[in-house]
Amino acid sequence: DGGITQSPKYLFRKEGQNVTLSCEQNLNHDAMYWYRQDPGQGLRLIYYSQIVNDFQKGDIAEGYSVSREKKESFPLTVTSAQKNPTAFYLCASSGPSRGQFFGPGTRLTVL
Amino acid sequence: QKEVEQNSGPLSVPEGAIASLNCTYSDRGSQSFFWYRQYSGKSPELIMFIYSNGDKEDGRFTAQLNKASQYVSLLIRDSQPSDSATYLCAVSSWDSNYQLIWGAGTKLIIKP
Repeated sequence: DGGITQSPKYLFRKEGQNVTLSCEQNLNHDAMYWYRQDPGQGLRLIYYSQIVNDFQKGDIAEGYSVSREKKESFPLTVTSAQKNPTAFYLCASSGPSRGQFFGPGTRLTVL
Repeated sequence: QKEVEQNSGPLSVPEGAIASLNCTYSDRGSQSFFWYRQYSGKSPELIMFIYSNGDKEDGRFTAQLNKASQYVSLLIRDSQPSDSATYLCAVSSWDSNYQLIWGAGTKLIIKP
């Protein structure tokens, strides 16, 4: 089955700790995205990548980092510089139709 | 600043009635329009997309696009309790590299 997987489903971070969220897709999509969603709010773009080894900052990139070494994978690191990281993190990919398809999400909580 | 506006709701509709969700956008160059459904605690799911003026129907869902007035709407016929969710509108254009500009979503409640 083609799709997007994210892991872990739930993640807990201690103060000063970096954590990495995984995103893998087997849809053969070139573009991949990371969004953050806070309770009752819309989606805010963190980073996106349209091709391997290239990525661009979105609207709220501060405190986050990404890599795109493989077409299938686009991991997101939440660094200690991100002061309010508790949120629902969504990874998406898109192909020629330009519609984005989402993984199940990772819920990050700061302890 | 390109914007997509939606009424946050909640919009309450009786079961079996037509639910009408609206979205307006600021960028006249917008070319692609998407509706997503998001259940509480879950990720968004693409349910409809439309590129041309007019109506596009898929089962109980109809997307309507009016580029002159810069709005796109989603009609849900014969509403079911399972349609209760937040509906997100998203818009893209070539000059934004086809990045999606998102509305904040409308919460829809279907009352049995």
